[in-house]
Amino acid sequence: QSVLSQPPSVSGTPGQRVTISCSGSSSNIVGNFLFWYQKVPGSAPKLLISRNNQRPSGVPDRFSASKSGTSGSLAISRLRSEDEADYYCASWDDSLSGHVVFGGGTKLTVL
Amino acid sequence: QVQLQESGPGLVKPAETLALICSVSGDAVHRGDYAWTWIRQSPGEGLEWIGHIHHSGTVYYNPSLASRLVISSDASRNQFSLRMTSVTAADTAIYYCARGHFDTVTGYSAWFDPWGQGIRISVSS
Repeated sequence: QSVLSQPPSVSGTPGQRVTISCSGSSSNIVGNFLFWYQKVPGSAPKLLISRNNQRPSGVPDRFSASKSGTSGSLAISRLRSEDEADYYCASWDDSLSGHVVFGGGTKLTVL
Repeated sequence: QVQLQESGPGLVKPAETLALICSVSGDAVHRGDYAWTWIRQSPGEGLEWIGHIHHSGTVYYNPSLASRLVISSDASRNQFSLRMTSVTAADTAIYYCARGHFDTVTGYSAWFDPWGQGIRISVSS
């Protein structure tokens, strides 16, 4: 059971907009930045969103994110087939002397 | 361009010690405010943070793994390493090293970039 909760799967058709939620607690998301990673099978995870809502250079503006209270969300608009991947949220957690926690991951299927 | 590359045995026997090395190019493990990090993904599972070492020598470990872990760095070789004792089949995973970011105001975070390509480790007799 992951400390951060994500839906196991979401799906959408090309051109649609999908969102992935990430729920945490006061020891992680509330007081720390939330990050999002894209994981394609056979490749290393890729940083998608930094510091709650910042897109690193090279990440399309179709990807956006927000954070409020104990939860955050990732939105992917104008869905494309190449967006099919696993998406993970992650945050620093202040409990137990501090450590990083990941969500369980959400499998995005582009129908 | 910063690059990280994992190296290690590939196959480890149960109850033995897993030793992995991450070689860094384009940056120095003993400089800068970074947390040199190990992360793994077991088959069919999600990402799991293992721990990190800051250039100051400060280490943080996943509480559920801490008793079996040692993360260290070697400035002369520009590498950092992971030692995990008493491995079991549950430690079978792809192990990634990554550069984590440390901010002097906000502290450690879950900001990892770049990543190594990963190394597949199997625990089996």
